[in-house]
Amino acid sequence: NAGVTQTPKFRVLKTGQSMTLLCAQDMNHEYMYWYRQDPGMGLRLIHYSVGEGTTAKGEVPDGYNVSRLKKQNFLLGLESAAPSQTSVYFCASSYSIGAGELFFGEGSRLTVL
Amino acid sequence: KNQVEQSPQSLIILEGKNCTLQCNYTVSPFSNLRWYKQDTGRGPVSLTIMTFSENTKSNGRYTATLDADTKQSSLHITASQLSDSASYICVVSVTGGTSYGKLTFGQGTILTVHP
Repeated sequence: NAGVTQTPKFRVLKTGQSMTLLCAQDMNHEYMYWYRQDPGMGLRLIHYSVGEGTTAKGEVPDGYNVSRLKKQNFLLGLESAAPSQTSVYFCASSYSIGAGELFFGEGSRLTVL
Repeated sequence: KNQVEQSPQSLIILEGKNCTLQCNYTVSPFSNLRWYKQDTGRGPVSLTIMTFSENTKSNGRYTATLDADTKQSSLHITASQLSDSASYICVVSVTGGTSYGKLTFGQGTILTVHP
């Protein structure tokens, strides 16, 4: 009963390095999302996908790229990490947009030095 | 600007006591309002989803209320337990137009339950 799985759970990067966060869901959901959570702020949407092969920008997309090559996977990439991208990243999925319940992963804590 | 404001920012109560968390929103047009519980180091988990026509919704010891006229919601926790210690997040969804389905998250209320 995995639900939404994120890897890795923790990562430390140096400024300018690149990395990819992987999100996998086993609920056959069409919609997937990447959020970041920073102290004192609500979750903010980075990018989302409404189905396999589609991606769209959220509120804070700059510095990130995403891909949804398979329905169950949603990848978040940082091409050149910056200290401002130090955050906890959450992946989520839902069966519908707007009305559907969001199912979140456990989070990936990223530190950029 | 669509906003969701939660109060208090943090709350400490004794085990067994009741408490109420508040959420005010300016999101429009309103679709639904959700409450999530987020344990430390974990992802948020849904407690309730309420639409425009629902005034009250319960999930065990959690009861959410919604007043769409005043744009206020509350989450009442009855007979608190140590496991209720968490951050409680209010989220509002928009309906219609290009922002359909857009979620606006509150900052959360951190609840600590002491024995």
